[in-house]
Amino acid sequence: GAGVSQSPSNKVTEKGKDVELRCDPISGHTALYWYRQRLGQGLEFLIYFQGNSAPDKSGLPSDRFSAERTGESVSTLTIQRTQQEDSAVYLCASSKTGEGYGYTFGSGTRLTVV
Amino acid sequence: GQNIDQPTEMTATEGAIVQINCTYQTSGFNGLFWYQQHAGEAPTFLSYNVLDGLEEKGRFSSFLSRSKGYSYLLLKELQMKDSASYLCAVTGTYKYIFGTGTRLKVLA
Repeated sequence: GAGVSQSPSNKVTEKGKDVELRCDPISGHTALYWYRQRLGQGLEFLIYFQGNSAPDKSGLPSDRFSAERTGESVSTLTIQRTQQEDSAVYLCASSKTGEGYGYTFGSGTRLTVV
Repeated sequence: GQNIDQPTEMTATEGAIVQINCTYQTSGFNGLFWYQQHAGEAPTFLSYNVLDGLEEKGRFSSFLSRSKGYSYLLLKELQMKDSASYLCAVTGTYKYIFGTGTRLKVLA
């Protein structure tokens, strides 16, 4: 597609439920990233995909968080047993390679855990 | 460790010039990016510096000194629409480390 597409744009969920966030990167972008941004905070790295492998998952905050990517396309970030501290905007970005190319960000998914 | 520092907030007047500083200490360096983020929106790319010196792009310029671990973003002829957060990000290998961002308010 022309840009990075994320869905849903907004998600309100009850504490303890699982949620799945989707990212559709720009066609041909091999690198895909997930970041989290809490209100008024900077961007916190979660995970990096090169193709469908994830060489760096070091930013995933707990084992409740997992992510997958199909080939060089769609990625899903799953949060199990959501907690209130998971409330944030989850941003996905893609780039042509993993080194030094500018990211293109999606519009994000605003997750609110109540 | 990895550390990127930016001022939290700045205020400037429409038509003025403002300089937003960024200092960094990272384990590797392949380049420094500046992004603009309006409230509730995704960050958008502004500039990329990989060599020392000044990169100019219209009203925006970005400077890098690798030996000092220092960059700045210079915004000239400020407009109200420039009110946003400005994020400094350093790339070591494949991922960016972001600063917390500088929230710029442009006053009429």
